[in-house]
Amino acid sequence: GENVEQHPSTLSVQEGDSAVIKCTYSDSASNYFPWYKQELGKGPQLIIDIRSNVGEKKDQRIAVTLNKTAKHFSLHITETQPEDSAVYFCAPTPPDSNYQLIWGAGTKLIIKP
Amino acid sequence: NAGVTQTPKFRILKIGQSMTLQCTQDMNHNYMYWYRQDPGMGLKLIYYSVGAGITDKGEVPNGYNVSRSTTEDFPLRLELAAPSQTSVYFCASSYSIGRKDQPQHFGDGTRLSIL
Repeated sequence: GENVEQHPSTLSVQEGDSAVIKCTYSDSASNYFPWYKQELGKGPQLIIDIRSNVGEKKDQRIAVTLNKTAKHFSLHITETQPEDSAVYFCAPTPPDSNYQLIWGAGTKLIIKP
Repeated sequence: NAGVTQTPKFRILKIGQSMTLQCTQDMNHNYMYWYRQDPGMGLKLIYYSVGAGITDKGEVPNGYNVSRSTTEDFPLRLELAAPSQTSVYFCASSYSIGRKDQPQHFGDGTRLSIL
């Protein structure tokens, strides 16, 4: 089955600096690569996603890059702000409904003022 | 815009009791999911459904049951509550035609403690 690893587990950055979180997966059938943000006491919310026919996608301060050969994708946040403090999850997803959905363990991002 | 609604938000159960966690969505999504999230951990899939009348096991189905009689509702049943089921439970939904590779929309969770 799919094995998903996120690194680092905790990331502390100064406000205004950049943050990068990496997600490594094992199932080469995965073709959809979302990142979710979970604020305290809330459910996860999709912030950006990418499909396997694209190498990079950007939405204002956040971007996702994909390396299908190496089986990893990364979340990039630039000019970090206090509201970026949250837990971020990756969930590489294969298309077939018979495959299990396996989520990363999460990365806690702390923005220091 | 209600999205995915879960009830109750909090619940304390005694060992051996049973309860149903409710989940409803108003987005006409065909896929629905139940996850559990233990402290400091990621999400683990319990059950999912690809449409009314169809359910399937996820990664950690033992001790739980689900049903999907309508598109909107996907309740999760705990028959004999055990301390190991203390967790936060999230319901999610997505729209897809025969595929799972679509964004999921989550409720705000049910925090369940079993003592």
